[in-house]
Amino acid sequence: TQLLEQSPQFLSIQEGENLTVYCNSSSVFSSLQWYRQEPGEGPVLLVTVVTGGEVKKLKRLTFQFGDARKDSSLHITAAQPGDTGLYLCAGVGSGTYKYIFGTGTRLKVLA
Amino acid sequence: GAVVSQHPSRVICKSGTSVKIECRSLDFQATTMFWYRQFPKQSLMLMATSNEGSKATYEQGVEKDKFLINHASLTLSTLTVTSAHPEDSSFYICSARDLRQGESYEQYFGPGTRLTVT
Repeated sequence: TQLLEQSPQFLSIQEGENLTVYCNSSSVFSSLQWYRQEPGEGPVLLVTVVTGGEVKKLKRLTFQFGDARKDSSLHITAAQPGDTGLYLCAGVGSGTYKYIFGTGTRLKVLA
Repeated sequence: GAVVSQHPSRVICKSGTSVKIECRSLDFQATTMFWYRQFPKQSLMLMATSNEGSKATYEQGVEKDKFLINHASLTLSTLTVTSAHPEDSSFYICSARDLRQGESYEQYFGPGTRLTVT
């Protein structure tokens, strides 16, 4: 069974601080997606990474896919209150389009 | 583009009744839709994969007779929770893959349906 562990589970920081969220597995994924979800809403896609070692930037967010395609990280620079939410990674195994969601990281950015 | 809607957004029903939740892709066609369940403060758990014109594939531990899935068209999938019990209370979310995506793995999510069984 493929599992995706995210760390930390919870993070409360002050506005302007930097943070990194990790998504780890012992399994190889064909691709990995990062989503953000706000309470009572569905997840919103932030990025898809496919190639081992790939780095993608989305404004203040930097996403990296591990060389072996087993792990990923999300780095937020100068966090803002609007970044508050549940961050979820989702991996896709080979030969399938099904997602395995990570355990989630709940981020709160204080003004 | 890639908008997915769900209806209703919230529903309260009595124990023993059935509830139908609709998932629609509004501006694209989806051969594959997925149904997830999310408990408070937890991540999403895949319940089943719904393919247009064929039977749904259920994940291990999900009762297919309790959670009936129908994918009658390229833009609509429905989930019916039959004989609902309080433990079925949860946030149900659907997602869809755009037919034009080819080998892309991205799923677009609906806003979710909050089911409360009393």
